[in-house]
Amino acid sequence: DAGVTQSPTHLIKTRGQQVTLRCSPISGHKSVSWYQQVLGQGPQFIFQYYEKEERGRGNFPDRFSARQFPNYSSELNVNALLLGDSALYLCASSQIPGDNQPQHFGDGTRLSIL
Amino acid sequence: QKEVEQNSGPLSVPEGAIASLNCTYSDRGSQSFFWYRQYSGKSPELIMFIYSNGDKEDGRFTAQLNKASQYVSLLIRDSQPSDSATYLCAGSDQAGTALIFGKGTTLSVSS
Repeated sequence: DAGVTQSPTHLIKTRGQQVTLRCSPISGHKSVSWYQQVLGQGPQFIFQYYEKEERGRGNFPDRFSARQFPNYSSELNVNALLLGDSALYLCASSQIPGDNQPQHFGDGTRLSIL
Repeated sequence: QKEVEQNSGPLSVPEGAIASLNCTYSDRGSQSFFWYRQYSGKSPELIMFIYSNGDKEDGRFTAQLNKASQYVSLLIRDSQPSDSATYLCAGSDQAGTALIFGKGTTLSVSS
């Protein structure tokens, strides 16, 4: 079975631009979460979605937004890009939300801001 | 501020030895804990998760949880050079939405 798939793999943008990252969860998984990982740090939670509804939001500015589609795939949008947005963006899926539900990560999208 | 703390290392062990990775957490509401392995330039890979106090074994890996001490550990027996990676400890938040990660411990296994 395919794991979590993310696209694109790499992306280079300039300050002020907008970016959309995409994620398809593991088949049968209905919950998708997004994380940002900067070099030398652990992943930091951005959003969690389940059944197209936002279930949680981390401490990120309103420039970050996301949505989930009926097929459980998800998009993360970041507007007005800053140099500090350069990071690895990780999507994780689980069967359902919950503290006892393991989250499985995709390979990530590496975003570089020039 | 909910935090998960890990010794950043590097932790160096010879091949065949036991590697012990430790983690403490501040949020007593955290119920579940997860260990991920991350190779350089790659994404985190789930190794084990534990919900109950005590030990949980899976092959060469043993996770230990002590909720009274707010302490989680991962033991890797018969360490192999292929185990060389960064190990991330994560706890669930009380709502069961976010995973709160530590900064990771870098393990180096020498042959």
